[in-house]
Amino acid sequence: GAGVSQSPRYKVAKRGQDVALRCDPISGHVSLFWYQQALGQGPEFLTYFQNEAQLDKSGLPSDRFFAERPEGSVSTLKIQRTQQEDSAVYLCASSLDLGGTDTQYFGPGTRLTVL
Amino acid sequence: AQTVTQSQPEMSVQEAETVTLSCTYDTSENNYYLFWYKQPPSRQMILVIRQEAYKQQNATENRFSVNFQKAAKSFSLKISDSQLGDTAMYFCAFVPRRSNDYKLSFGAGTTVTVRA
Repeated sequence: GAGVSQSPRYKVAKRGQDVALRCDPISGHVSLFWYQQALGQGPEFLTYFQNEAQLDKSGLPSDRFFAERPEGSVSTLKIQRTQQEDSAVYLCASSLDLGGTDTQYFGPGTRLTVL
Repeated sequence: AQTVTQSQPEMSVQEAETVTLSCTYDTSENNYYLFWYKQPPSRQMILVIRQEAYKQQNATENRFSVNFQKAAKSFSLKISDSQLGDTAMYFCAFVPRRSNDYKLSFGAGTTVTVRA
């Protein structure tokens, strides 16, 4: 079946603009994760959903970051009033069951550049 | 909190030879999972191999194998018979085996280049 997909693959925003990044997890996967990956670094956790419930948002760097998964499938990561330090690749991952005991499958990422 | 350290930013290997990537981690957990992920230039992160800490036997997947030393908190990846398609960034990752902690903690990565 299809893997995790993300759109857009590339996004350029002017500082101060709002952006929305979409993630389509593998069908039937309960868990969904967002990670932020700075250039040349490992991914850093942002937030976690179990179905539609956001169980952990401890990694969101500021209140400008907001994520939702209203129907327990597609998820959107929204960044308001983007800043240059938000430039990174945003990765989405999903897993079949609960959290870390199950393998997380990653999407291709969205590369965000804030000018 | 868990930390994962990959001390080799870059490695180069001749095609068909073997390369070993190091990973150490710091945790107070007794039960956990360790992973190696591969990220080619296209940026899709792909699982290479997974190890469960309570299993003493080292995991293997075709040309990929690990050397898991729990006491030393070490988890190295060996790539045998390296192929050009193995060129990628490799990340070591950790997750505790608890129901309330599921986020992967990643190392900074090792860039592997396979030379023809």
